[in-house]
Amino acid sequence: KQEVTQIPAALSVPEGENLVLNCSFTDSAIYNLQWFRQDPGKGLTSLLLIQSSQREQTSGRLNASLDKSSGRSTLYIAASQPGDSATYLCAPSNGNKLVFGAGTILRVKS
Amino acid sequence: AAGVIQSPRHLIKEKRETATLKCYPIPRHDTVYWYQQGPGQDPQFLISFYEKMQSDKGSIPDRFSAQQFSDYHSELNMSSLELGDSALYFCASSPSGRYTDTQYFGPGTRLTVL
Repeated sequence: KQEVTQIPAALSVPEGENLVLNCSFTDSAIYNLQWFRQDPGKGLTSLLLIQSSQREQTSGRLNASLDKSSGRSTLYIAASQPGDSATYLCAPSNGNKLVFGAGTILRVKS
Repeated sequence: AAGVIQSPRHLIKEKRETATLKCYPIPRHDTVYWYQQGPGQDPQFLISFYEKMQSDKGSIPDRFSAQQFSDYHSELNMSSLELGDSALYFCASSPSGRYTDTQYFGPGTRLTVL
């Protein structure tokens, strides 16, 4: 059974800092891994998807890397802004279903 | 761009009542997934459909059933509601049954059971 751990559980940084969110998973037989953003009480916004054959994906200030063999992914956010404040969830896919981590709650202070 | 549509957005029911949640996937998407997110918890996979057939099943209670219709929309039927069913229910869609597809999530239906 896939288990996903995200570290840190919460993070508070001043505006402008670069930061890294970590995700680890126990079953490396994944097809892809998605990173999501969730605002309080809201839906899930897909940020990036990395296929199992890829090492990294970039979208604007976001860069996600994947080391499938070691069961790790990181989400790098450059030049953080207050609008980045949200919960960030990683979700590897072992087939049809995504298995979510508990998320990292990010607060960017202005 | 069109997104996944879920209705209703909010639903309040009493214990032991039934509820029906609807999901309209992105146009030309033929695969639908349902997830449940309890208060303070991460989303948990319930069930998925590809081309109107159930493709995978997760931790979905026997009191719940779902189906996908000919127009690819899906409905999640929940009977004998319990307090613990109060959660945010997400529907997601993808363009095909391939495991490598991105899943696009709807805004969710917030179900409150009193």
